[in-house]
Amino acid sequence: EDKVVQSPLSLVVHEGDTVTLNCSYEVTNFRSLLWYKQEKKAPTFLFMLTSSGIEKKSGRLSSILDKKELFSILNITATQTGDSAVYLCAVTNDYKLSFGAGTTVTVRA
Amino acid sequence: SQTIHQWPATLVQPVGSPLSLECTVEGTSNPNLYWYRQAAGRGLQLLFYSVGIGQISSEVPQNLSASRPQDRQFILSSKKLLLSDSGFYLCAWRKTGTYYEQYFGPGTRLTVT
Repeated sequence: EDKVVQSPLSLVVHEGDTVTLNCSYEVTNFRSLLWYKQEKKAPTFLFMLTSSGIEKKSGRLSSILDKKELFSILNITATQTGDSAVYLCAVTNDYKLSFGAGTTVTVRA
Repeated sequence: SQTIHQWPATLVQPVGSPLSLECTVEGTSNPNLYWYRQAAGRGLQLLFYSVGIGQISSEVPQNLSASRPQDRQFILSSKKLLLSDSGFYLCAWRKTGTYYEQYFGPGTRLTVT
């Protein structure tokens, strides 16, 4: 059975801090790993990673995949209160996504 | 550009009543379609997915069913709702193929009373 484990489950930081979120996986026929942000509504897509060692960046967010060690990290630098959300990691095979339980990030002003 | 619609946005239904949630996608053809449920404070549980008209794969045995009567329409149904069916129901779509991201609709919050 496919397995996606995110850590930590939750964390609280102050504005300006840097956050690192972890995602480890075991999945048959791995194709890609995706990160989503969910703020009390539907998840919004952040990144898709398919190759090891290539960092993807979008503003203050960045992510990298290690296909040998089967994990990914999502970094958020200079956090803002608007970054408060649940961050979901998912891995895909040919058709399905398997999601982790998510990491709840709370950024305090 | 592609758009995904879901309705209704919220729904309160009594135990034992039927359910029909609809999802439609615009701006693409032959998408892969998905239904997820998210219980309060929990992760996303895949319920059904479809790779084409009339093709439905079920991930979790339950009292729900899904149908895909048209290429870009996906329907989630139940004949008799249970209290445990309460949750946030999300429809999602993805381009056919291997390396594509998945996009979610706005969701339906269902409360079974």
